[in-house]
Amino acid sequence: SYELNQPPSVSVSPGQTASITCSGDKLGDKYVSWYQQKPGQSPLMVIYQDTERPSGIPERFSGSNSGNTATLTISGTQAMDEADYYCQAWDSRIGVFGTGTNVIVL
Amino acid sequence: EVQLVQSGGEVKKPGESLKISCEGSGYAFTNYWIGWVRQRPGKGLEWMGIVYPGDSDSKHSPSFQGHVNMSADKSSSTAYLQWSSLKASDTAMYYCARLGGYCINGVCSRTGFDYWGQGTRVAVSS
Repeated sequence: SYELNQPPSVSVSPGQTASITCSGDKLGDKYVSWYQQKPGQSPLMVIYQDTERPSGIPERFSGSNSGNTATLTISGTQAMDEADYYCQAWDSRIGVFGTGTNVIVL
Repeated sequence: EVQLVQSGGEVKKPGESLKISCEGSGYAFTNYWIGWVRQRPGKGLEWMGIVYPGDSDSKHSPSFQGHVNMSADKSSSTAYLQWSSLKASDTAMYYCARLGGYCINGVCSRTGFDYWGQGTRVAVSS
């Protein structure tokens, strides 16, 4: 089955840039979505179709996808961005989530 | 306003059956796939499958095929996730979510899970 791997955690200082990677075989050939989940809350989509931001998502969230790696970038990270982040892609019409990354804002 | 409202938490014994629900409102329920996502305590998100209320077509992740059943009732705008025999390993939070999308000149594209329910907590223990 298709797998998406993410680093378990990423630490970033407030105001700096956080980059979260998602790796999978030929991932660049698939569309990737990214979800933010804060403790006790339902997930929230922050990026879809690799680079698109849903309405209401701050511009500091951006995405890219090429080769075997998709990346979610948070520019000017704020304390409120501390959360778990999951990538998601489709493989033969079945979805799969990445392993998840805990972003820590120090 | 688009909303997905899930049924309340459940406590069950191994071997029991269960059906949880997800009621959609504020949009054309039959035009969007509904997905189900599992999250075990302290663990990550797991994509279980999707169901299309328009014709009840469904697609299951191989990890869940044969263990759960997804269905939808157009008349009540409600999607369901059902087990015939629960296991302790089914203990988790279950989320439903709407799979967004758009069509341009007859070509349709999906976006992602754009609206989520509040989750249904299921505990299975003897």
